[in-house]
Amino acid sequence: GAGVSQTPSNKVTEKGKYVELRCDPISGHTALYWYRQSLGQGPEFLIYFQGTGAADDSGLPNDRFFAVRPEGSVSTLKIQRTERGDSAVYLCASSLNPYSNTEAFFGQGTRLTVV
Amino acid sequence: QKEVEQNSGPLSVPEGAIASLNCTYSDRGSQSFFWYRQYSGKSPELIMFIYSNGDKEDGRFTAQLNKASQYVSLLIRDSQPSDSATYLCAAGDGAGSYQLTFGKGTKLSVIP
Repeated sequence: GAGVSQTPSNKVTEKGKYVELRCDPISGHTALYWYRQSLGQGPEFLIYFQGTGAADDSGLPNDRFFAVRPEGSVSTLKIQRTERGDSAVYLCASSLNPYSNTEAFFGQGTRLTVV
Repeated sequence: QKEVEQNSGPLSVPEGAIASLNCTYSDRGSQSFFWYRQYSGKSPELIMFIYSNGDKEDGRFTAQLNKASQYVSLLIRDSQPSDSATYLCAAGDGAGSYQLTFGKGTKLSVIP
């Protein structure tokens, strides 16, 4: 596609429910990143994929958060037992060159609201 | 813990003036620095990056880096109303730094 695509654009869920957020990176981009941005804050790193593997998941806040990228393209961020504090915009970015953040492009984000 | 500090603003400048945005970082190991522009409700967009001490110019934008002072700035010359946005400063360990530490952003308002 022309850019990084994230779906859904908005998600409202009840506390305790499970949600999946999808990221479709720019075609051919091997590096994929997930960030989370709370209101009034800058993005916070969650996880980085190089190909199919999670090269660095040190930013995941706890074991309720998990992400996969089984075929090295689309990635899904999964959140179990959602809490109100998980409400934020979840941003995905991808880059062709994993060694240069200057080529990373962000998607429009998924706004998650936990009620 | 790595931190990037920015004045949240809002910073208001008249159209045509120079806007000066500042950022400090806590980790002396940081090697790469990025400025992103984020319009309300939109995703961050990279506008400048800098790795070496000194100035780097790109059109109306100039990034400045002083590693000794752990200070990064962005100057926007001939500010336009379309420059009104939140500007995010980010620091990384190097050029291949996928794990960026972002500041909270400075909201810039350019008054026509």
